[in-house]
Amino acid sequence: AQSVTQPDIHITVSEGASLELRCNYSYGATPYLFWYVQSPGQGLQLLLKYFSGDTLVQGIKGFEAEFKRSQSSFNLRKPSVHWSDAAEYFCAVGARGGSQGNLIFGKGTKLSVKP
Amino acid sequence: DGGITQSPKYLFRKEGQNVTLSCEQNLNHDAMYWYRQDPGQGLRLIYYSQIVNDFQKGDIAEGYSVSREKKESFPLTVTSAQKNPTAFYLCASSTQTGPYGYTFGSGTRLTVV
Repeated sequence: AQSVTQPDIHITVSEGASLELRCNYSYGATPYLFWYVQSPGQGLQLLLKYFSGDTLVQGIKGFEAEFKRSQSSFNLRKPSVHWSDAAEYFCAVGARGGSQGNLIFGKGTKLSVKP
Repeated sequence: DGGITQSPKYLFRKEGQNVTLSCEQNLNHDAMYWYRQDPGQGLRLIYYSQIVNDFQKGDIAEGYSVSREKKESFPLTVTSAQKNPTAFYLCASSTQTGPYGYTFGSGTRLTVV
């Protein structure tokens, strides 16, 4: 069965510092991978996704993520964090092949940004 | 613009009442989903539907019911059997032609009073 682990429940970084949010997955093959962001009281917005090809994917708001098959990881990065990036971030995994299937979400990492 | 609309944004329920949360999409998506979100628990799947007039239970379906009479609409009823309904509820939709990710609504916060 698929699973997603986000090891960090809460991370605090200073504005302008770099950011890396971790995501590890368990799946028998290469899955589809996603990162979503949620501001308080809002729905989830898709940041980026990986299907195949280049393992470094670019997303919106200056975020990028790298798929590492050997480590079963899909970590999210941003070179310089802005105060508006404070939110909760969710990694998700989807199965390949056949019908849609359901996405499996991690429990989220809450990001706080210090001025 | 296409999207998903959830209403109302805030909902209050008295003990023993059923309440229905609305979810409408104009994205022409085949699949729709309901999630419950509690602090520290992430997203938990309640029900999902991949086609009109068909739906399946998710991980926490007890105390909830759904219908899918139209492609655009997937309402969720929180019944009196759901003992702890206070939570944030999210509706999502997706295409069936490959997992291109979900589009989410802005959520409904349900509070028992």
